[in-house]
Amino acid sequence: AQSVTQLGSHVSVSEGALVLLRCNYSSSVPPYLFWYVQYPNQGLQLLLKYTSAATLVKGINGFEAEFKKSETSFHLTKPSAHMSDAAEYFCAVSGGNQAGTALIFGKGTTLSVSS
Amino acid sequence: GAVVSQHPSRVICKSGTSVKIECRSLDFQATTMFWYRQFPKKSLMLMATSNEGSKATYEQGVEKDKFLINHASLTLSTLTVTSAHPEDSSFYICSAPRTGRDTEAFFGQGTRLTVV
Repeated sequence: AQSVTQLGSHVSVSEGALVLLRCNYSSSVPPYLFWYVQYPNQGLQLLLKYTSAATLVKGINGFEAEFKKSETSFHLTKPSAHMSDAAEYFCAVSGGNQAGTALIFGKGTTLSVSS
Repeated sequence: GAVVSQHPSRVICKSGTSVKIECRSLDFQATTMFWYRQFPKKSLMLMATSNEGSKATYEQGVEKDKFLINHASLTLSTLTVTSAHPEDSSFYICSAPRTGRDTEAFFGQGTRLTVV
C-alpha cells in the first residue's frame, strides 16, 4: 500500500522568499514520486518527478525536490517565490513504472504569496 | 500542448438527468485511464480505473451503476454520471498514462459538474 502525507495544508510566503512544501511517503515498493500544481478550476500540471534516477530532481518554474529514502521524504522547494506560484500543490506516489497504477495523492498544500 | 483532452470543462444539469464526460488521449494510445473526483479544498480521490476492452475497476465506495465508465477505444474513455443529484456536484478529472521508457501520467483539464 502507498500513501503520501503533505504537512501543512496552507503555506504563506512573501514574494522572493524560500518556498518549502513538505511531503512524506509510504510505499511497499520502490516509489515513483511526483509534484503537481493546480490552478483554480484547472487540471494538474506536472512540476517534477522522481523515478529512481537522481535524488535531486529539477522541475519547471524553478522548483526542485530531493528524494530522501532515509527520511521517506520528497519535499518541494523553490529559492524565490513569485506571485504566480500561488496555487494548490499536490504530492503523489505510484508503484513504479506501471501503466496500470494510479497515482495516490496527498491532501494538497495551498501556497499563498504576498507582495 | 495538452496531450489529454477532457470535455466539457463545465456543465450544469438538472437533478435526475445524466451527464457524459469524455477523456481523450490526443497523441498516444492509452489502454488504461483513471477517473478522479475532487471535492472543494480536497485532494483527488481515485474513483475508477478504465480499461480498454474490459470492465472498469471501481474503488471501494464508488457506485458503478451511478458512475458508468466506457473505454471504447484506445484513445477515449467516458464517464457518465447517471440520475445526477446535487451531491454529485464536483470536479472530475481524468488521467491517462503514456507508457514507454519514461511513463508519465497526463491529466485532463477537469470538468466542473453542477447539479441543480
